[in-house]
Amino acid sequence: DIQMTQSPSSLSASVGDRVTISCRASQTISSHLNWYQQKPGKAPNLLIYAASTLQSGVPSRFSGSGSGTDFTLSISSLQPEDFATYYCQQTSSFPQTFGQGTKVEMK
Amino acid sequence: EVQLVESGGGLVQPGGSLRLSCAASGFTFSNYWMSWVRQAPGKGLEWVANIIEGGSHKFHLDAVEGRFTISRDNAKNSLSLQMNSLRAEDTGVYYCARVGKHGYDLDYWGQGTLVTVSS
Repeated sequence: DIQMTQSPSSLSASVGDRVTISCRASQTISSHLNWYQQKPGKAPNLLIYAASTLQSGVPSRFSGSGSGTDFTLSISSLQPEDFATYYCQQTSSFPQTFGQGTKVEMK
Repeated sequence: EVQLVESGGGLVQPGGSLRLSCAASGFTFSNYWMSWVRQAPGKGLEWVANIIEGGSHKFHLDAVEGRFTISRDNAKNSLSLQMNSLRAEDTGVYYCARVGKHGYDLDYWGQGTLVTVSS
């Protein structure tokens, strides 16, 4: 199975900050990497697919990059509604594993 | 508007069975792969199973292989997850999700249904 490791597991930031979350795969997955946002008590929401393509309706302050084994989700200017937990997911092979999540909290 | 509505969760004893359902609307159900993803209380997301458009091919997490079965009824726009021999570690919220057209991304999710396995 491909292991997905996110870092950090949590971070504290302020509105307006630039935030970067990393996701590393235990073997190469090309660009088969998606990012999701989840708020407490809610279902996850797709932000980025194929490593760098913004899902329709997602604000342009979100961006994704990377290929192979190392990927990054960036939020250019953190907004109040962005405090949430973020997950990466590889879809290169089954089982389609998720990272453990990164919780973005208010400083 | 795409909608996915899960049902069938509840409290079940270890070793018991439960069948989850997901009613889909707002899109041509038969044109999409579908997926189940679960989340244990306070934990992260875990992919459980996928099924292709016609239902002939299915993929399951090793930990549920032989105990859980994903299926679909395209005439009824319905997805199911039959769960047998349930264990405490199967406890969690189970989400139904649509697999998008960009390489297995999960582009729409239901609200989830809670399964609790406990005596």
